[in-house]
Amino acid sequence: DAEITQSPRHKITETGRQVTLACHQTWNHNNMFWYRQDLGHGLRLIHYSYGVQDTNKGEVSDGYSVSRSNTEDLPLTLESAASSQTSVYFCASTGHQETQYFGPGTRLLVL
Amino acid sequence: GENVEQHPSTLSVQEGDSAVIKCTYSDSASNYFPWYKQELGKGPQLIIDIRSNVGEKKDQRIAVTLNKTAKHFSLHITETQPEDSAVYFCAASRNDYKLSFGAGTTVTVRA
Repeated sequence: DAEITQSPRHKITETGRQVTLACHQTWNHNNMFWYRQDLGHGLRLIHYSYGVQDTNKGEVSDGYSVSRSNTEDLPLTLESAASSQTSVYFCASTGHQETQYFGPGTRLLVL
Repeated sequence: GENVEQHPSTLSVQEGDSAVIKCTYSDSASNYFPWYKQELGKGPQLIIDIRSNVGEKKDQRIAVTLNKTAKHFSLHITETQPEDSAVYFCAASRNDYKLSFGAGTTVTVRA
């Protein structure tokens, strides 16, 4: 069955370190998204991509970057982790329909 | 950008009673309104959606209504069961695959 996976599921890092969170989908969806989830804020869009080599900033993109070298993967990089980036991160994808399919999430703690 | 407000933030109902969650949106160009359910430790999962050319949609015990004039939409869950306990998110999109989410409603169904 097609699916969307994220790794790692849990990560502890220190401030200033570079961290990369992986997202992989097997639906062959063109559109992929990264969100962060914080209490009281719902899910906020960090970056998104409509296809290979396409990346766009969302509403909370500062301190994050993404790259899209193939259809299946959209890794999220925190260039220099900050305590404010402690959160739960979700990846999602969608094809021509607008239904977004979410991964299981990565819980990140920045100390 | 789009701003989606969701109320209430918490909702406790007796098993068998109905639950209603309301959302308002700001962008009159939004035309797609999904509802997601998130269980503990998992990613959000679509439970129902509605498009702007439809006023109401039902799927078994779940229904969604949309008032475009007032720019609000609601989720109705009838005959609530313990497995309905979860966090529910509304969202809005303007046909660009990007979703703007409400802050979420934690629903607890009391046995």
